[in-house]
Amino acid sequence: QSALTQPRSVSGSPGQSVTISCTGTSSDVGGYNYVSWYQQHPGKAPKLMIYDVSKRPSGVPDRFSGSKSGNTASLTISGLQADDEADYYCCSYAGGYTFYVFGTGTKVTVL
Amino acid sequence: QVQLVESGGGVVQPGTSLRLSCVGSGFSFSNFGMHWVRQAPGKGLEWVAVIWYDGSNKYFADFVKGRFTISRDNSKNTLYLQMNSLRAEDTAVFYCARGPLNYYGMDVWGQGTTVTVSS
Repeated sequence: QSALTQPRSVSGSPGQSVTISCTGTSSDVGGYNYVSWYQQHPGKAPKLMIYDVSKRPSGVPDRFSGSKSGNTASLTISGLQADDEADYYCCSYAGGYTFYVFGTGTKVTVL
Repeated sequence: QVQLVESGGGVVQPGTSLRLSCVGSGFSFSNFGMHWVRQAPGKGLEWVAVIWYDGSNKYFADFVKGRFTISRDNSKNTLYLQMNSLRAEDTAVFYCARGPLNYYGMDVWGQGTTVTVSS
């Protein structure tokens, strides 16, 4: 099972929006509505930001939103803030024995 | 508060074994699936294994190839990862994470424990 493909980096100014893509196959992203997104600040544990493609856990700002089309999922951060600068990883259920596969990770830089 | 605390990491030689532990507190441990996820130095997250809330099902990443075993003791609120035949490429921070039963995702993470495989 190969890692899902994410852009290495995206950037935006405070207040702007950025979108991170996560491309897989029909065996993972495209086959299930079970994509989650994680934020990881340097030296810290990951934090769940989105689950089941577009649902936000309690406490996650509504500036974070998720969507999916075909084999590609996306995370959009609106109203970019300095604290949003972090690495972001998508993760998809892949069925069968593999269960989960992560994306390659995207570094978000707030200019 | 809801918390996961890993332990058991260290520096080991290639070919040897290590057992990681993860203790959960502040929630009903036996009601949740549990995962191990690792992160090599400077690299991305890599899912390792999952065990069902009752231990009835276990799944592993391909790279484990029979070397790792996941288990749990719900009476002790503890998750384990037994790692055998360790390789240099297993060097990573290992995180345990909670998997809710009603959706796909990992909602609570430990702080991680570092495993270094080196001669």
